[in-house]
Amino acid sequence: SYELTQPPSVSVSPGQTATITCSGNQLGDKFPSWYQKKPGQSPVLVIYKGDKRPSGIPERFSGSTSGNTATLTIRGTQTMDEGDFYCQAWDSATVVFGGGTKLTVL
Amino acid sequence: QVQLQESGPGLVKPSQTLSLTCTVSGDSISSGTDYWSWVRQPAGQGLDWIGRLSSSGATNYNPTHNNRVTILRDASKNQFSLTMTSVTAADTAIYYCAREKIEMTTTTLLGRFDLWGQGILVTVSS
Repeated sequence: SYELTQPPSVSVSPGQTATITCSGNQLGDKFPSWYQKKPGQSPVLVIYKGDKRPSGIPERFSGSTSGNTATLTIRGTQTMDEGDFYCQAWDSATVVFGGGTKLTVL
Repeated sequence: QVQLQESGPGLVKPSQTLSLTCTVSGDSISSGTDYWSWVRQPAGQGLDWIGRLSSSGATNYNPTHNNRVTILRDASKNQFSLTMTSVTAADTAIYYCAREKIEMTTTTLLGRFDLWGQGILVTVSS
C-alpha cells in the first residue's frame, strides 16, 4: 500500500521559516494537499494541488513538490501556526494521509 | 454556506456496531462531482481515511477497514451514514465527515477535503 512519510516534529522560532516535508513514491505526480489540525478543532485545508492556497489561508503558507517529496513552507511563522500538519494524496482512488508533523513555535 | 454535521451515539460496546450520520446543508450529496467521506482520528494518532460516497452512490473504502465498513446515503434527507461492525477499543476516535472536492488534471484525478464537520467522539467501551 502507498505510504506518505513525515517527520514527527518540527520546531521553529517565531518569525522564522518552518519547513515540513512529506515523502512518497512519485508524490509530485499526485499533487498532494496539506491540512493543519489544532487540538479540539477540525482539520483545515491549507494547500491543495501541490502549491495552491485556498481563499482565507495566509500568504505565508506555501507548498511545493519535486520528485518524491512535497514541502509545506510557512514563512514568518507565528505562534498561532502551532499544530499538527498532515499531507494527503490519492493513490488508486483511495486517500492516504501522512503520519503528521507537530509544529512547535518557540 | 455549506455545513456538515455528524450525529450518533458517543458510546458503543465492544463487538457491537457503530453507526453515524452526516447531515449536509447548503450542498447536495446527490449531484455534482464532489465526494463525501468519513475520516477519523484516534486520540494521539493521525488522520485515518475510512471511505467515501460519490454523488451517484458509488463507494470506495480504505482497504484497512473494507470488510467492516459500509457508507450509505439518504438522498431525501441529504445525509450519508457510516456503519462499522465488530468494533473494539481501537475504534475509539473522533469521527469526521468531510466534503472531497474532485479535480482532474491532464494526468490524474485528485481530491482535497475542503469542508469538514465538527467531529464526534465515539468511545468503544463496555
